[in-house]
Amino acid sequence: SAVISQKPSRDICQRGTSLTIQCQVDSQVTMMFWYRQQPGQSLTLIATANQGSEATYESGFVIDKFPISRPNLTFSTLTVSNMSPEDSSIYLCSVVFGTGGYEQYFGPGTRLTVT
Amino acid sequence: AQSVAQPEDQVNVAEGNPLTVKCTYSVSGNPYLFWYVQYPNRGLQFLLKYITGDNLVKGSYGFEAEFNKSQTSFHLKKPSALVSDSALYFCAHSNDYKLSFGAGTTVTVRA
Repeated sequence: SAVISQKPSRDICQRGTSLTIQCQVDSQVTMMFWYRQQPGQSLTLIATANQGSEATYESGFVIDKFPISRPNLTFSTLTVSNMSPEDSSIYLCSVVFGTGGYEQYFGPGTRLTVT
Repeated sequence: AQSVAQPEDQVNVAEGNPLTVKCTYSVSGNPYLFWYVQYPNRGLQFLLKYITGDNLVKGSYGFEAEFNKSQTSFHLKKPSALVSDSALYFCAHSNDYKLSFGAGTTVTVRA
């Protein structure tokens, strides 16, 4: 089975700074997504990372706050910009392999704490 | 709005007893439904899915789920729970590959 890795696994950051999270898959994927899981809550989709073009953001999320890159079929980054304590969450990337399965497979997540 | 709901925040069962985690859906058209499990300090793991076909779907770790169209439900079941099944379980539906999750149900299996 494919391996999905995320860097860093966790970080503690000062408010007003930015953090870039990397997601790497060891095989090509069809789709990549970024989710946020706030403390004690469920997962919320931030955006779809589109290869070679701008990401597609869900309602409530904007590019200036969460810029996303996806330069190829196996790698994507999510930046959390100008952080505030409310951004403290687990950020997860997910991927879809092929076009018929629909199920997503998740990376281990990045636990971010903003002080 | 299309959504899934998990009516129970917590489920507690004794080891060896049947485990059921409930999920209901409000989705137009054919629902694409999923169950995921999140163990402490670990990522989300895919358990099973219903896309089409048999209403009873089997998944990983001995779990199964029954799709019930008349009751708009997709309950997760395991005939004999293990202590190691203690985790957070999420029901989700897919709309154009995008997942929307229920609030989650914490399962505790006591020895």
